[in-house]
Amino acid sequence: QSALTQPPSASGSPGQSVTISCTGTSSDVGAYNSVSWYQQHPGKAPKLMIFEVNKRPSGVPDRFFGSKSGNTASLTVSGLQADDEADYYCSSYAGNNNLAFGGGTKLTVL
Amino acid sequence: QVQLQQSGPGLVKPSQTLSLTCAISGDSVSSNSAGWNWIRQSPSRGLEWLGRTYYTSKWNNDYAGPVKSRISINSDTSKNQFSLYLNSVTPDDTAVYYCARGWLQTGLAYWGQGSLVTVSS
Repeated sequence: QSALTQPPSASGSPGQSVTISCTGTSSDVGAYNSVSWYQQHPGKAPKLMIFEVNKRPSGVPDRFFGSKSGNTASLTVSGLQADDEADYYCSSYAGNNNLAFGGGTKLTVL
Repeated sequence: QVQLQQSGPGLVKPSQTLSLTCAISGDSVSSNSAGWNWIRQSPSRGLEWLGRTYYTSKWNNDYAGPVKSRISINSDTSKNQFSLYLNSVTPDDTAVYYCARGWLQTGLAYWGQGSLVTVSS
């Protein structure tokens, strides 16, 4: 059982926006601005899409937006494209030199 | 550009030690600019952070609670690589194992290609 809770699936049509939630506790998501989001295509390694709640690494399009409120972080993907179809995982620093991951959300582009 | 290349056996017998190596190019294992992590992924556990090593005037290691008694991560500066050792493995340790570069607070930006390790007799 993963430490952070994500919905197992999400979907949207091309061009639409979709938001994926990631719920933790006051000991991880709520305590630190250290939430990251990863995109994983089948058979590939995860790719960092968002770090420190809302920062994008170089090369990640601004269609990907991260936010946080209390113990819940969110990833919004706008202008959905076919290549956005993938599994998305959140992670959060959990204190005591530990890292927690969410169980993952399968994003389907209809 | 940082690249991580993993190597190691894909099959390990129960009760034995799983060992994987992650060779680094484009950075140094002994730089103080990043931590060097091991993560695994399985259908039953999802993504699970296992531990890390990093250098800040001395070597430091942090390990996840569930594997703390069985895990060791060390580095080889002469080969610019770091390794995972997980002893007393069971079939529940079957997973794809990844090495990754980054700090826990700021995300893991570079990942190895992944190594499927099966624990079976």
